Amino acid sequence: DIQMTQSPSTLSASVGDRVTISCRASQSISLWLAWYQQKPGKAPNLLIYKASTLQSGVPSRFSGSGAGTEFTLTISSLQPDDFATYYCLQYNSYSFYSFGQGTKVDIK
Amino acid sequence: EVQLLESGGGLVQPGESLRLSCVASGFTFSSYAMTWVRQAPGKGLEWVAGLSNTGYTIHYADSVKGRFTISRDNSKNTLYLQMNSLRADDTAIYYCAKDVSWGQGTLVTVSP
Repeated sequence: DIQMTQSPSTLSASVGDRVTISCRASQSISLWLAWYQQKPGKAPNLLIYKASTLQSGVPSRFSGSGAGTEFTLTISSLQPDDFATYYCLQYNSYSFYSFGQGTKVDIK
Repeated sequence: EVQLLESGGGLVQPGESLRLSCVASGFTFSSYAMTWVRQAPGKGLEWVAGLSNTGYTIHYADSVKGRFTISRDNSKNTLYLQMNSLRADDTAIYYCAKDVSWGQGTLVTVSP
């Protein structure tokens, strides 16, 4: 089974900061990597799929990069609405999805 | 637009059963593999089960193997999750998913 290691687990940042979150897969998943944002009491919201494709309606300050085993989510200029928890998901096969442990982005 | 609508959640006692349903629209349901994912209160996300577009190939997380059954009815555009022998640690919001598109989830609470 493919394991995902996400870092950091917590990130303190200020409005306007550039923020990066990483996910590493235990084996190559090509580009089958997605990023979600989750706020308390809400379902996860898809931000990025296929490693770097921005979901419709998601602000362009969010971007994804990487391939194979190393992936990054970048928020170019953190906004007040971005304080949330972020998860990566590998969906290389329906037979086994796996998630990163999550990164909580809070106010510095 | 992909739409997934889960239902069937509720409060049950340990050892009881529950069947979740997920009605899909906006895509050709019979052409896609589908999965169930869950999130326990205050916890991260966990893949539960997945099955192929035909329903013939199925996989389960070790935590639910032997207790949960995933199935589908392509004539009804519906995905199911039959949950037996429920335990307190099955308490979670359950989401059905097509690739990276998810529904809003249905809450299952297992408590005496």
